[in-house]
Amino acid sequence: DSGVTQTPKHLITATGQRVTLRCSPRSGDLSVYWYQQSLDQGLQFLIQYYNGEERAKGNILERFSAQQFPDLHSELNLSSLELGDSALYFCASSVGGYQETQYFGPGTRLLVL
Amino acid sequence: DAKTTQPPSMDCAEGRAANLPCNHSTISGNEYVYWYRQIHSQGPQYIIHGLKNNETNEMASLIITEDRKSSTLILPHATLRDTAVYYCIVIGNNDMRFGAGTRLTVKP
Repeated sequence: DSGVTQTPKHLITATGQRVTLRCSPRSGDLSVYWYQQSLDQGLQFLIQYYNGEERAKGNILERFSAQQFPDLHSELNLSSLELGDSALYFCASSVGGYQETQYFGPGTRLLVL
Repeated sequence: DAKTTQPPSMDCAEGRAANLPCNHSTISGNEYVYWYRQIHSQGPQYIIHGLKNNETNEMASLIITEDRKSSTLILPHATLRDTAVYYCIVIGNNDMRFGAGTRLTVKP
């Protein structure tokens, strides 16, 4: 158990819909990272927040957005969903915001029908 | 594109050492080499990391070449539970790009 929690564990929705994925970092960690892993694909870094501020951006689509709240939990919002958005979404956290060891949550499996 | 190159798959006999290579020829001086593994579709698990020197912890050893252009992760006594995809990544300036990794299969 990494100490990072993600909800929900599974999510099934339809194309065009919007969903919100939630992540609670390990106690004391200030950074949260979001990754997408499509079927049989590697991990694609989406975005990083550090203490409420966006720190780094990866391959995140404009239809996707994220935020980190004052209590340091984070939400990833996915809108206008397409079939290709079906994937595992992982959240990770680290103590600081630069070249830190990341601890991953169990992931949210999203299925868009 | 990822900054690292790894063989797509490797096999290892149970109880033997597993040596997983990684090429990172474009690594910069301030970039660390990290190793993670992913068992089935679970969240990736941190294994070890290093900058210049070789490192060892309870899980594995990391050998980094002097020119830092490649490294090897060593699992000293592989078990069936070590079967996983192993990712070598170079992290610097908040640039985190995972490659396809190496699928290690430990066989009895």
